[in-house]
Parts: sequence; C-alpha cells; structure tokens
Amino acid sequence: DVVMTQSPLSLPVTLGQPASISCRSSQGLVYSDGNTYLNWFQQRPGQSPRRLIYKVSTRDSGVPDRFSGSGSGTDFTLRISRVEAEDVGVYYCMQGTHWPFTFGPGTKVDIK
Amino acid sequence: QVQLVESGGGLVKPGGSLRLSCAASGYSFSDYYMTWIRQVPGKGLEWLAYISGSSNSIVYADSVKGRFIISRDNAKNSLYLQMNSLRDEDTAVYYCASRFIRAGADYWGQGTLVTVSS
Repeated sequence: DVVMTQSPLSLPVTLGQPASISCRSSQGLVYSDGNTYLNWFQQRPGQSPRRLIYKVSTRDSGVPDRFSGSGSGTDFTLRISRVEAEDVGVYYCMQGTHWPFTFGPGTKVDIK
Repeated sequence: QVQLVESGGGLVKPGGSLRLSCAASGYSFSDYYMTWIRQVPGKGLEWLAYISGSSNSIVYADSVKGRFIISRDNAKNSLYLQMNSLRDEDTAVYYCASRFIRAGADYWGQGTLVTVSS
C-alpha cells in the first residue's frame, strides 16, 4: 500500500498567520490518465471529512481562497495564507492513484 | 441539495453481521461510483470498497475482502455494506461517499457508528 506521511502532526497557529502542512507519498502519484490524485481534506471536530482540494491544487467550490495546494511527484503541501478560527481541525492528505486509496495520519491544527 | 444518509450502525458481537445502508438524494446517483470509508474513533481514515454506477466494477481493501460485500440499488438510490464475521478492530464510524472517488469524493455522509464488542 502507498504510505502517506504528514508533517507536522500538530500545528498550533496564531490567528491571521500562515500555516503549511507537508504530505509525502511512498510512491509517485501520477495516474495513467495523467492526473495526480492527491487530495486534501479538513475534518472539524464532530464532523465528517470535507474535501478542500483535489488533484493537487484545485479548490472545491466554497473553499476560501486562503487555502492552496501544490506539489508534484511524492511531495505535496497545503497552505493556509491567514489562519482563521474556523480552520481549527484535522487535515488529511489522501491519494487516489493506487488502490487501496490511503490517507495520511492527519495534522491537527489549533489556535495558540 | 445533496444528501448522503447512512444508517444501520450499532452494537454487534464479534463474529456477528450487520448491514449498513446509505440513502442518496439530490444528484444523479446511478451515474457515479460509490464508496465506503471508515474511521476508528479518534484515529485515521481507511478506504474499504468502491462500486461503479452499474455495479460492474467492485473493489475491496484486503482488510475486508471476503467478509464485507458492497452493493447498490439504483432504483432506490441506495448503497449497502453487508458486514460479516465482524471483529473488534472493525469498530469505527462508517462513511459512504460519492463521485470522483479518485479525487477523494466530494459528497460524504455524516457517518454511522459500528461497535463490535462482546
């Protein structure tokens, strides 16, 4: 199985400051159709996961533009340009290229 | 609006069976893949199985292969997960999700809790 690792696992942030989460995969994530299926999810306390970004850098409808995704190959990054209180939660990267699809362990973002 | 509503969770003894359902509404259910994902409380997420719109493509994770069966009824806009030979380690919140599953699926349900315990 493709192993997804994230760092850091805990990220205390100051409101209004930027935040960055790294995600690495144990194998390359380019699928046969040419797409890279690296996706990012947010899970707020008590809620289901919500997809934020798919195929590395495409934001879902309704996701604030302070969220951005980048990367290629096996290294990917989720950035929050200015953290707001509603951003508290756990963030997961997920690969959909190789079955079984796998998630990273999650990065817990909270406010300092 | 789009809704995915899971049901059927509960407490079951090891070795027992349970059938989960997921009722979909607000989009063209039969056109899209469906999938089941679970989350051990306080822990990470695990993909279990997916099924194509016409049910002609079904894939399972090794952890549930031979024990769980995914199916769908497009006439009822419903997805199912028949879970047999349940183990303690199957205790989790089970989510159904839909559409573009390689891209992580943009529609998710609220989850249903399955507890396997004697």
